[in-house]
Amino acid sequence: KAGVTQTPRYLIKTRGQQVTLSCSPISGHRSVSWYQQTPGQGLQFLFEYFSETQRNKGNFPGRFSGRQFSNSRSEMNVSTLELGDSALYLCASSLTQGSSTDTQYFGPGTRLTVL
Amino acid sequence: AQSVTQPDIHITVSEGASLELRCNYSYGATPYLFWYVQSPGQGLQLLLKYFSGDTLVQGIKGFEAEFKRSQSSFNLRKPSVHWSDAAEYFCAVGAHGGSQGNLIFGKGTKLSVKP
Repeated sequence: KAGVTQTPRYLIKTRGQQVTLSCSPISGHRSVSWYQQTPGQGLQFLFEYFSETQRNKGNFPGRFSGRQFSNSRSEMNVSTLELGDSALYLCASSLTQGSSTDTQYFGPGTRLTVL
Repeated sequence: AQSVTQPDIHITVSEGASLELRCNYSYGATPYLFWYVQSPGQGLQLLLKYFSGDTLVQGIKGFEAEFKRSQSSFNLRKPSVHWSDAAEYFCAVGAHGGSQGNLIFGKGTKLSVKP
């Protein structure tokens, strides 16, 4: 079974631009979460989607948004990029939402650099 | 507010030596606790998780962790470290009813292994 895939793996943008990152969960998984990883702040939760609905949201500005499609694939979008948005963006999938016993599987991440 | 503290930023051990990585958490209710490992350029891999029951949890790759409620700790241990264990280790607590979709991570402990 294929793991979580994220595209692109690397991205370079300039300030003010917007970017869209994609995540394909493991087949059969319906929940997708996004995290931002930076050296200073560490791993921070962005949002979680289940059945095309945002279920939880972290403490990030409205420039960060996401969505989930009917096939459980998810995208996240960052508008008006700032230098501080440079980070590794990780996507994780699990079978269901809100289940304590589900294991969350992480993708390799998308490395975003904002110049 | 929930939080996770990993007091050691960087630890170096000799191959074959035992390992203990510390994790302290702050959470108002029964915590759901996780340890993940991240190799350079990779996503996160779940090593083990604690939800309830036996306080000593066995994981993959020979790792185990012990939940101590009185000390608010969930330390990760391995009796004999291999060079391939060199990576960064993250402790995390589940923030909403055990859902793994919204995890709060510690800042991580980088493990180096001396030959």
